[in-house]
Amino acid sequence: DSGVTQTPKHLITATGQRVTLRCSPRSGDLSVYWYQQSLDQGLQFLIQYYNGEERAKGNILERFSAQQFPDLHSELNLSSLELGDSALYFCASSPRLGSYNEQFFGPGTRLTVL
Amino acid sequence: AQSVSQHNHHVILSEAASLELGCNYSYGGTVNLFWYVQYPGQHLQLLLKYFSGDPLVKGIKGFEAEFIKSKFSFNLRKPSVQWSDTAEYFCAVNDGTDAGGTSYGKLTFGQGTILTVHP
Repeated sequence: DSGVTQTPKHLITATGQRVTLRCSPRSGDLSVYWYQQSLDQGLQFLIQYYNGEERAKGNILERFSAQQFPDLHSELNLSSLELGDSALYFCASSPRLGSYNEQFFGPGTRLTVL
Repeated sequence: AQSVSQHNHHVILSEAASLELGCNYSYGGTVNLFWYVQYPGQHLQLLLKYFSGDPLVKGIKGFEAEFIKSKFSFNLRKPSVQWSDTAEYFCAVNDGTDAGGTSYGKLTFGQGTILTVHP
């Protein structure tokens, strides 16, 4: 158990719908990262928040957005869902900002878009 | 932009065989290097990491990796694998900047190598 929790574990929805994935970082960690794992794209960085502020963006679609709340949990919002959005979405947390920190990964949310 | 290449998609070994998984990265600056493992149905776990110093890094569960700067490589090794090592292995890099840099630590992953160990 990494200490990072993600809910829900599985999500099945239809095209065009909107979903919210939730992540609670390890106690004391200020930085949250979101990654998408799909068969064709592999593991890709989406977005990072640090202490409530967006800090880095990767290959995140405009239909996707995220935020980090004052209690440091984060939510990833996916809208106008397409079949190709089906993937495993991981959240990771680290204590501080910067490259010299280990990232601890959550168990992931498996999203299936039908 | 950084990129990471893992040469083998699927490796099949018998128990007690030696393992070497290849990882090459493309980036012109200082990098930090990581190997993560994902056991079936579980989350990604850190096996080992390299920031600086001795290029031969020892990790958990008997794994080690060697950073060869001239070859842009960070290969993972284990002298004798066990059935319990069956998992998917990911090499990852981030650029070696501190908190004042622009990378903020985001990881770039390779495509992963599935290791199957037969008892």
